[in-house]
Amino acid sequence: GAVVSQHPSWVICKSGTSVKIECRSLDFQATTMFWYRQFPKQSLMLMATSNEGSKATYEQGVEKDKFLINHASLTLSTLTVTSAHPEDSSFYICSAYDRVGHTEAFFGQGTRLTVV
Amino acid sequence: GENVEQHPSTLSVQEGDSAVIKCTYSDSASNYFPWYKQELGKRPQLIIDIRSNVGEKKDQRIAVTLNKTAKHFSLHITETQPEDSAVYFCAARLGRGANNLFFGTGTRLTVIP
Repeated sequence: GAVVSQHPSWVICKSGTSVKIECRSLDFQATTMFWYRQFPKQSLMLMATSNEGSKATYEQGVEKDKFLINHASLTLSTLTVTSAHPEDSSFYICSAYDRVGHTEAFFGQGTRLTVV
Repeated sequence: GENVEQHPSTLSVQEGDSAVIKCTYSDSASNYFPWYKQELGKRPQLIIDIRSNVGEKKDQRIAVTLNKTAKHFSLHITETQPEDSAVYFCAARLGRGANNLFFGTGTRLTVIP
């Protein structure tokens, strides 16, 4: 199957700093990428839909100014957690669909963010 | 949006027995239903999926059934093995050009050797 690479796989940062997470589709072009957040022992909650060349669509309750999403190319979307706080600590996962519109969603390996 | 419910939240079975996980969805426009297996700290891995024009699909020890009328779908794992132990998520995707998945709450399956 297609490969989606997410980086970094884990990061520890201090409160008040910003963290950028990258999601790359390595062997296909992704017009749409999705960002999920997963708390321990819970399900994946969709945060936002990232469309190449346009503004991201955020789910209700997700602060767009806090979770900045940029999808500047067909192979890269970034999520920046700004002014991070301990409650932002979580597992963040991206997924992508290829341009041809394959049914399957391909997931990145996830990023474990710990804010201290 | 879509609302997906999943039961049970935990399931323990003896090795060799079958495991069944059930999900319901709310939007009749949903047309794609994948199942994911997620091991601790790792990405979800697609194990099987079914489209709304099919009632059942099987892949070796894994099968999925879909009842569109009742808006529910189920995952069946036969001859369970310890390596089947993981968290399983069902999901649904709306048609109408939408690509995002709505996930169930997950089922932690434990296969006891």
